[in-house]
Amino acid sequence: QQQVKQSPQSLIVQKGGISIINCAYENTAFDYFPWYQQFPGKGPALLIAIRPDVSEKKEGRFTISFNKSAKQFSLHIMDSQPGDSATYFCAASMGGGYQKVTFGTGTKLQVIP
Amino acid sequence: GAVVSQHPSRVICKSGTSVKIECRSLDFQATTMFWYRQFPKQSLMLMATSNEGSKATYEQGVEKDKFLINHASLTLSTLTVTSAHPEDSSFYICSARGGAQKQPQHFGDGTRLSIL
Repeated sequence: QQQVKQSPQSLIVQKGGISIINCAYENTAFDYFPWYQQFPGKGPALLIAIRPDVSEKKEGRFTISFNKSAKQFSLHIMDSQPGDSATYFCAASMGGGYQKVTFGTGTKLQVIP
Repeated sequence: GAVVSQHPSRVICKSGTSVKIECRSLDFQATTMFWYRQFPKQSLMLMATSNEGSKATYEQGVEKDKFLINHASLTLSTLTVTSAHPEDSSFYICSARGGAQKQPQHFGDGTRLSIL
């Protein structure tokens, strides 16, 4: 059972455009929602995270939008750059991120010049 | 920032060999470490959770006698793949977390295991 569903599987965006990745979760006990960026041959790196008491969090070009009632959250990458090309994973955890992380299926983003 | 180091980064060995992978937290005390497995173009799947000084908790379907986990100190956890076979070939990634509440996990750069 996939507890965190992620779409799209792959995404091609032109440089300067907005990249949008969507996730949905099932377990209402999740209370910490991080996004990870992974480059080939590397481990995932925490990009930005949100807790369900806020509807939006912005850090630089990266914004998480969170809809608690719909059990959905999304990552927006503004002014996408070729260096943003990577695989992005949404995830969810309980205990404020203290407990194990359940990952989404991943989105391979390619930003073309 | 916090750094988690994994060693080796890549290992190639013959079928039947046992392989040990190390995960170290370099600048914090990791009370809990997690081991994940990632197949090509797929997501990370949690294999087990290890707390310092106690037995690891394995996820359903993960053979604990096949994947031995030791977390003997606050900065080191090891994963040993015993009698490895080609189907064990994968990317193994560890993460570590400190003891304070609401601390995020920090991931290592992974170990690419190839069994011939």
